[in-house]
Amino acid sequence: EPEVTQTPSHQVTQMGQEVILRCVPISNHLYFYWYRQILGQKVEFLVSFYNNEISEKSEIFDDQFSVERPDGSNFTLKIRSTKLEDSAMYFCASSGLDRGLNEQYFGPGTRLTVT
Amino acid sequence: EDQVTQSPEALRLQEGESSSLNCSYTVSGLRGLFWYRQDPGKGPEFLFTLYSAGEEKEKERLKATLTKKESFLHITAPKPEDSATYLCAVQAGAGGTSYGKLTFGQGTILTVHP
Repeated sequence: EPEVTQTPSHQVTQMGQEVILRCVPISNHLYFYWYRQILGQKVEFLVSFYNNEISEKSEIFDDQFSVERPDGSNFTLKIRSTKLEDSAMYFCASSGLDRGLNEQYFGPGTRLTVT
Repeated sequence: EDQVTQSPEALRLQEGESSSLNCSYTVSGLRGLFWYRQDPGKGPEFLFTLYSAGEEKEKERLKATLTKKESFLHITAPKPEDSATYLCAVQAGAGGTSYGKLTFGQGTILTVHP
């Protein structure tokens, strides 16, 4: 069964550096999302993306964050200048007509550690 | 602002001991209520979507129900492999502008002892 995949599984970076987290959503899905989960806290919405543009973003998703769908399969989250408080698990999700438009399927996550 | 509160925070059961997890919510027009399972260090795994009060869905030992204010996840005769964190999330949108975004609760950590 098709799944959402994410790379890398773990990224360690220094404060101030740029990172790009990569996701391959389920094929034929139309809606894409990024969420994050700080250790011991709730899963938080960052951004949704549809038809090559941002549909909605949260207060967390400031000018340091950007998303892109560079080709027909990848979906990326870029953090331009990482901060210590960006350390978290980042989850990509996708949804589409094949499984119910509202049902979001999550990837395994990328653990980002900012030192 | 959409809010989701789950209780209890943690639940320890003996194998075979049935119980229920609670999810209370406030949302501006419910589009859907979702249950996910999350294992340590993994992404949330989709379990159920409920759309309207009175709806019920079942999967193996799990049954989810929905009222206008809360949802329950009933676990019947649990096994140790059911141990995980169970997350509840709501999606607003009926008449609102927030399409797609899920608002999660903090989860209930379920431990089932053999």
